Amino acid sequence: GNSVTQMEGPVTLSEEAFLTINCTYTATGYPSLFWYVQYPGEGLQLLLKATKADDKGSNKGFEATYRKETTSFHLEKGSVQVSDSAVYFCALRRSPGAQKLVFGQGTRLTINP
Amino acid sequence: SAVISQKPSRDICQRGTSLTIQCQVDSQVTMMFWYRQQPGQSLTLIATANQGSEATYESGFVIDKFPISRPNLTFSTLTVSNMSPEDSSIYLCSVGDRAYEQYFGPGTRLTVT
Repeated sequence: GNSVTQMEGPVTLSEEAFLTINCTYTATGYPSLFWYVQYPGEGLQLLLKATKADDKGSNKGFEATYRKETTSFHLEKGSVQVSDSAVYFCALRRSPGAQKLVFGQGTRLTINP
Repeated sequence: SAVISQKPSRDICQRGTSLTIQCQVDSQVTMMFWYRQQPGQSLTLIATANQGSEATYESGFVIDKFPISRPNLTFSTLTVSNMSPEDSSIYLCSVGDRAYEQYFGPGTRLTVT
C-alpha cells in the first residue's frame, strides 16, 4: 500500500541553522509529493509540491526534490527563523487523477532565537 | 486557492452526545473531504463528501458514526455521533481544486469529556 515515513521529532534548532526533515515514501506508480505546514492553532497549509521525478518544489526558502531512486522527498531550508516553528507533514497523492492524500506522522519543529 | 471556514472552531462535549461541524467554502468546489487528526498524530481521511450523493467512507469509518451532508458545492457538514473520549480530535475539512490540490480549513478542536 501507499505510505509516508517522516523523521521522528521533535526537532529543535537555533535560528539561522540548516534544516533537513527526512521523508520517504512507498507507493505504486508515480505519486505526487507534498509538504504541508501547520502553524500553532491553525489548519494545514500547502508549503510545496512536486509531481514527477527530479522536480524540485520550493516556497518561502524551503525546498524539496522528488527522488524516485531513493523514494525520498526531504525538506530543506538553509537558514531557519523563529517563525518557521510549526508541524511539518509530508504527504503523497497516489496518481495525478487521484484525490486521496496519505500523510506522514508529522515532525514538530521548534526554532529558538 | 479557496478560503475555507469551519464552525465551531472548538467545543467541549459530553459523552454520548453529537456534534455537527460545518465547512463553508467561498467558491464552488467539486471535491470536499473530512479528516481527523488525533492528538499528536497525523491526519486520517474519514470520507469524501460528494454533492448529490452519499459520502464515500474510508476503511474504519462508518456513516452511522460520522454522517456527512453535502447539500451544495460550497457547504458540507460532518456529525460526530454518540461521542466518546476517543473521538477527541481535530476535525479538518479540505477541498480539492481543478489541479487536484487540496486546501484545508482551520479545523475544529473537539474535546469529549
